[in-house]
Amino acid sequence: QVQLQESGPGLVKPSETLSLTCSVSGDSISDYYWSWIRQPAGKELEWIGRVFMSGSTNYNPSLTSRVSMSIDTSKSQLSLRLTSLTVADTAVYYCARERSGGFNSWGQGMLVTVSS
Amino acid sequence: QSALTQPASVSASPGQAVTISCTGTSSDVLNDKYVSWYQHHPGKVPKLIISEVSNRPSGVSNRFSGSKSGNTASLTISGLQAEDEADYYCCSFTSTYTYVFGTGTKVTVL
Repeated sequence: QVQLQESGPGLVKPSETLSLTCSVSGDSISDYYWSWIRQPAGKELEWIGRVFMSGSTNYNPSLTSRVSMSIDTSKSQLSLRLTSLTVADTAVYYCARERSGGFNSWGQGMLVTVSS
Repeated sequence: QSALTQPASVSASPGQAVTISCTGTSSDVLNDKYVSWYQHHPGKVPKLIISEVSNRPSGVSNRFSGSKSGNTASLTISGLQAEDEADYYCCSFTSTYTYVFGTGTKVTVL
């Protein structure tokens, strides 16, 4: 059974860059699309983007100018980079595996707070 | 892209059924095939309960069912139980290879 685990800083300052990693175990990272999804407190889920093993990406149009994703198949890790942070980026960030147009496996989620 | 529209809340007594709608702004946003639904208990990880409009993943109760008509997808929970009290989100894969979630619906078991 696949397991996903997000890691990174829990506190980041405004205007800085967030870098998160998702470590995948229990299954191959290949042959799937992997997404990042976030949820600010009290708000709905927001899809950030996705990455394939080839490095191909798709991003949420509202975030595309600030987001980049990559994948390291040798380490079974995904990475998310989000620049020019504001308090509005404070959220729980999830990585998830995509299958048949849905997200069937999720990490536990990581709270990222943007504050000075 | 705008979020898919869901009712903010629905409620019913145990044993009854509730239906949650999910409406897209155009046929491009609400995909013909790739509509999924998630159950989210606060503080826990979202759980996939419906994929591809109406498919239930292994282990998901058959009290959950999905359908779609035009630009509106629906999730029905029959035989409502206390454990079903949670937030529910629809999600669609769009024609531009992105995903969009719904605004979320809080289900309350009276």
